[in-house]
Amino acid sequence: DSGVTQTPKHLITATGQRVTLRCSPRSGDLSVYWYQQSLDQGLQFLIQYYNGEERAKGNILERFSAQQFPDLHSELNLSSLELGDSALYFCASSPLGGSDGEQYFGPGTRLTVT
Amino acid sequence: SQKIEQNSEALNIQEGKTATLTCNYTNYSPAYLQWYRQDPGRGPVFLLLIRENEKEKRKERLKVTFDTTLKQSLFHITASQPADSATYLCAIPTGGSQGNLIFGKGTKLSVKP
Repeated sequence: DSGVTQTPKHLITATGQRVTLRCSPRSGDLSVYWYQQSLDQGLQFLIQYYNGEERAKGNILERFSAQQFPDLHSELNLSSLELGDSALYFCASSPLGGSDGEQYFGPGTRLTVT
Repeated sequence: SQKIEQNSEALNIQEGKTATLTCNYTNYSPAYLQWYRQDPGRGPVFLLLIRENEKEKRKERLKVTFDTTLKQSLFHITASQPADSATYLCAIPTGGSQGNLIFGKGTKLSVKP
């Protein structure tokens, strides 16, 4: 158990809808990262927050947004969902904002868009 | 832009043998390289980090090498066991100090008894 929690575990929704994925980092970790993993693309970095501020952006679509709250939990909002958004979404946390730390991954949220 | 490749999608070996997985990158040499293990439907788990000035790193039955000339890292599991069966991912930083990682697509290792 990494200490990172994600809810919900599974989510099934229809195209055009909006969903929110939630992540609680390990106690004391200030950074939260969001990743998308699909069969053909592998694990893709979406966005990082550090202590409430956006730190870096990866391949995140404009339909997606995230935020980190004062208690350090984070939410990833996905809107106008398309079939291609079906994937596993992971969040990870680390103690600091950058450089060479290992990342602790949560169990993931499996999103299915029908 | 930096690219990372894990040449084998799958590797099948016999129990007790040494598994060797390859990770190659293009362009600049990263300051460090990480290896993760991922079981089906679960999040990746960190295994080892090796820095650019380290040629080799070991942890129990795991050994990682880092050759900046060849732009390659090798990941070895000695005395492999069926429980080692999983997908192994290598990851390098995108650059800068943010700690964002690019992951390879992984190599699925199957260890047969």
